[in-house]
Amino acid sequence: QKEVEQNSGPLSVPEGAIASLNCTYSDRGSQSFFWYRQYSGKSPELIMSIYSNGDKEDGRFTAQLNKASQYVSLLIRDSQPSDSATYLCAVNIGGKAAGNKLTFGGGTRVLVKP
Amino acid sequence: GAVVSQHPSRVICKSGTSVKIECRSLDFQATTMFWYRQFPKQSLMLMATSNEGSKATYEQGVEKDKFLINHASLTLSTLTVTSAHPEDSSFYICSASRWAYEQYFGPGTRLTVT
Repeated sequence: QKEVEQNSGPLSVPEGAIASLNCTYSDRGSQSFFWYRQYSGKSPELIMSIYSNGDKEDGRFTAQLNKASQYVSLLIRDSQPSDSATYLCAVNIGGKAAGNKLTFGGGTRVLVKP
Repeated sequence: GAVVSQHPSRVICKSGTSVKIECRSLDFQATTMFWYRQFPKQSLMLMATSNEGSKATYEQGVEKDKFLINHASLTLSTLTVTSAHPEDSSFYICSASRWAYEQYFGPGTRLTVT
């Protein structure tokens, strides 16, 4: 079982709709969770971090964390063609003892169609 | 804030030569820097973790004598690919951690070994 799993997609959503991305992780003790956006040929860009159960909103993005069920999700409201990218879920598995490394999922490719 | 630069953005070198890539945190002091490699259509692969003034910690399977990492200051880390071969051609990305958890990525260096 992979430590961080995402559906590879592509997730196709019409412009203006909500894109919903899911991520599950294996280590129940994980405390820090991140969503990165990566455009083709570019490096990842941090868009959200979440540390506590519940929702965290930032503009059109909402991250949701449920530690009991070991999943973290990302909602993109009012999706725009410029949101078309690969979204990477990253989890700090092991914490400081493991050097605060991030373990990345394989990414979900999102396509927003005008 | 949290800007990370990399230089060069693109490099072509001949097989057997060495290439140095610089990673700088421009507006913050990075306690830890990370080096990743990404092959086409694959997710990020962590190569090593580097703390200022300490030896880098390499991931399993990464040759430390081939990928030399120096973290001389809180704002600069370098990766030297020694005796490069065509199979080392990849997208190399560094990240810097401002606090314990969030990582900010540089724009990446595309290495082509001919």
